[in-house]
Parts: sequence; C-alpha cells; structure tokens
Amino acid sequence: KAGVTQTPRYLIKTRGQQVTLSCSPISGHRSVSWYQQTPGQGLQFLFEYFSETQRNKGNFPGRFSGRQFSNSRSEMNVSTLELGDSALYLCASSRDRGMSTEAFFGQGTRLTVV
Amino acid sequence: GQQLNQSPQSMFIQEGEDVSMNCTSSSIFNTWLWYKQDPGEGPVLLIALYKAGELTSNGRLTAQFGITRKDSFLNISASIPSDVGIYFCAGQLETDKLIFGTGTRLQVFP
Repeated sequence: KAGVTQTPRYLIKTRGQQVTLSCSPISGHRSVSWYQQTPGQGLQFLFEYFSETQRNKGNFPGRFSGRQFSNSRSEMNVSTLELGDSALYLCASSRDRGMSTEAFFGQGTRLTVV
Repeated sequence: GQQLNQSPQSMFIQEGEDVSMNCTSSSIFNTWLWYKQDPGEGPVLLIALYKAGELTSNGRLTAQFGITRKDSFLNISASIPSDVGIYFCAGQLETDKLIFGTGTRLQVFP
C-alpha cells in the first residue's frame, strides 16, 4: 500500500514568488491536513480538507491557501513568499475526520525562500 | 501558534539507559499521541492514548494519558541507537486539529 506522497521534495524560491505543493493521500483516505514545521515554531497546523471542503484552519495569513480534488489529492499554495516561509511542509492523511490515530504523514516538502 | 510544553528539549544518553519525557498543556485533550521523526522524514505515530489514566505500551515504549487530561509522558526502556530522533507529543480535542509539542531530541551513544 503506497504511503502519503508529497511533491516536490525540495524547492527553492525567491521572495515575492508563489509556490504550489502537492499531497497525494493513501488510497481510500479522504482527510488531508497540512502542517508547517520550522525550528523556531515546531509543527503548526495549517488547514484540513475533507471531501473537497476546508474543515479547519490554523492561524496563518491569507497568503496560505489550499484545495482538495475529488480524488482526495490536495494542494497548498503560498503566494508572495517571505523569507520566514522557509520550512518543511508536511501533509497527513486519514480515512476520515478526527482519525488522527490513523493519520500518516508524508516525507514533506522542504521549501527554501531566498 | 499554539504548542504544548514538552521536556526535556534534548537528551544525551548511553545505550541501554531508560528515557522519560513529558508534555503538559493548559488545555484538556481527548486524545494524546506520541510521534517520532527521523531526519528528512515525516513524523511516525508511536502510541495513541484515548482516555484519562490510560497506560499503553508498544514494545519498549510506554506512554500514559494524565488524569487531568492536560499531560502525558513517554518512557523508552533500554535505549538502542535506532531510538535516535525527535519525539513529539500531540493533543487532539475531537475532530479539532492536532496541537504538537515542541519536541525532544534524543541522542543515544554506544
């Protein structure tokens, strides 16, 4: 059974650019959550998508957005990149909402903003 | 952002020693989770706890859900080199988001 796949693994962007990250959940999983991991702030929740709808949102500015497609794949977008957006972005998938005990994380996308 | 207080921040121990780390929160949770993260990888779930007072083991790992629902601890017995990594606690209240601890970096020396 394939795990959670995040692409790309590494990304370098310049300030002011925008970026799109992709997450393919485990087959049959309908809930996808996104997290930002930085040395200073640790793991911070960005948002959760279920059945193509955003169900929960963390405390991030509007530059961070996401969406989910009918096949449960999810993308997150960050516009007008800032240096502080450099981080490891992780997504986690689970079969249903609230099933954190069955949530599996991908390897993450490491974004560097220069 | 919201985080749980996790201690210690880092540990340097010798192979064979036991390890203990804990997490505290000002909020109550319905679920406590413990994860391990290796370099370049996403967190991997180690243990899940569902009710206050619950004590659960997974091999050499033992974790407990505090009675007040505001804390949890993780013990690793007889540490081995592959235990090296960063350990995170996380709390969840029903279908709400996971709130993660600040992490404990474990280093094991032979």
